Amino acid sequence: KNEVEQSPQNLTAQEGEFITINCSYSVGISALHWLQQHPGGGIVSLFMLSSGKKKHGRLIATINIQEKHSSLHITASHPRDSAVYICAVRLGNYGGSQGNLIFGKGTKLSVKP
Amino acid sequence: NAGVTQTPKFRVLKTGQSMTLLCAQDMNHEYMYWYRQDPGMGLRLIHYSVGEGTTAKGEVPDGYNVSRLKKQNFLLGLESAAPSQTSVYFCASRWTGAVETQYFGPGTRLLVL
Repeated sequence: KNEVEQSPQNLTAQEGEFITINCSYSVGISALHWLQQHPGGGIVSLFMLSSGKKKHGRLIATINIQEKHSSLHITASHPRDSAVYICAVRLGNYGGSQGNLIFGKGTKLSVKP
Repeated sequence: NAGVTQTPKFRVLKTGQSMTLLCAQDMNHEYMYWYRQDPGMGLRLIHYSVGEGTTAKGEVPDGYNVSRLKKQNFLLGLESAAPSQTSVYFCASRWTGAVETQYFGPGTRLLVL
């Protein structure tokens, strides 16, 4: 059973397009993270959300706690945005209080020039 | 700051051999984590530590041991490597400030033959 589901698995876009990546979860959470894994393998944390919306540059992350759903949006996409985007949730239990995360399988984004 | 570093970057082992992966962080973080990443799966937590001298099991701890003798170092050991342990291993440390963030190392690619 996958507690964190991401869609789509793969996404190809043209430069300049608006991109949306979705994350749904089936458990009670205390926080949700979005991460980026570069083609070389490095992983960088983008956002941590517990409610509402956050924006950083061209990236926007939203979360709806009632619907157990989060979205990551990229405006004016660029080839350098090509990466795997990973959603991870921190459960509202003891493990979660230790910072333990459950990860989705990732969405592979390719932005063509 | 070097952030989170991992050694080695790549290793090939024969079944039954042992090895230790080293993770070091220079950010004075209390929490540290070891994950494995396998194709088609999300990152999975192997072991974690909430401070010097403490360790705890994660989702997939079997076949691994860990130690946190110094705050800045978190070691992952494989006592008797198996082909099922072929994976990419990531270490992370966690900042618990206003915006909780996990900082990841560059990864260690391990091949067990």
